[in-house]
Amino acid sequence: GAGVSQSPSNKVTEKGKDVELRCDPISGHTALYWYRQSLGQGLEFLIYFQGNSAPDKSGLPSDRFSAERTGGSVSTLTIQRTQQEDSAVYLCASSFSRGETQYFGPGTRLLVL
Amino acid sequence: AQKITQTQPGMFVQEKEAVTLDCTYDTSDQSYGLFWYKQPSSGEMIFLIYQGSYDEQNATEGRYSLNFQKARKSANLVISASQLGDSAMYFCAMGPANYGQNFVFGPGTRLSVLP
Repeated sequence: GAGVSQSPSNKVTEKGKDVELRCDPISGHTALYWYRQSLGQGLEFLIYFQGNSAPDKSGLPSDRFSAERTGGSVSTLTIQRTQQEDSAVYLCASSFSRGETQYFGPGTRLLVL
Repeated sequence: AQKITQTQPGMFVQEKEAVTLDCTYDTSDQSYGLFWYKQPSSGEMIFLIYQGSYDEQNATEGRYSLNFQKARKSANLVISASQLGDSAMYFCAMGPANYGQNFVFGPGTRLSVLP
C-alpha cells in the first residue's frame, strides 16, 4: 500500500488476556519502529527492527512485551497478560533506512479493562 | 544519551500570524538528523520537515521552516501564516547517528490557532 497500515484500529480486551498488534510498513522500507503513546503524552520508543532483526529492544517495558518481523515486512507486537496500564495508542512507523524520516501508521488504540 | 526538550507545553497564535515552536536537543554525536512531526486530534503523525546536522542551509517546506542553530543545539520550527488547520500537537525528534541509539521524541507542544 501507499502508507503504513496497522490493525486492528481499536482493541478492547480484558486484563490478563494476550493481544497481537500488526503493522504493515511501506514497501521497501527496511527499518520499522514501534512506539507507545499514552493519553496526552509524548511517544515512548518500544523497539526497532532493521530487516528482520531487532538490535534495540531496550524500550520494551517488560518481558510481557515481544515483537517479531518476518520477511522484512510485516511486524507483530504481542502483549501477554495485559494490564490496565498497557492501555495506550500503539504506533508503528517505517523508514527507508535507519535514521531517515519515519512515516507513521494510524495506530492501534488498546484499552484493557 | 540523546534528549529532546520542548519547553512550551501549549502555544496560542492568531490566524495568519507566524509562530515559533522551540526545540533544543542534547547529543554528543557529530552526525544526526532533526525532525518535526504534527499530530492533529485524529491521532496520525505527519512528517513536516527535516534538518541534517551538516546542512548549512535552514530547511524549508512550504509554510514550515526550521531555524537551526547548531552551536546552541536548537532546532525551532517556524510556521508562517498560521491556519486553523495547524492546530495540533507538534513533536520535535532526533534521528540516531550511531547504531543502537533510539530515535528520540520530545514531549510535544500543543498549538492552538485562534480565528
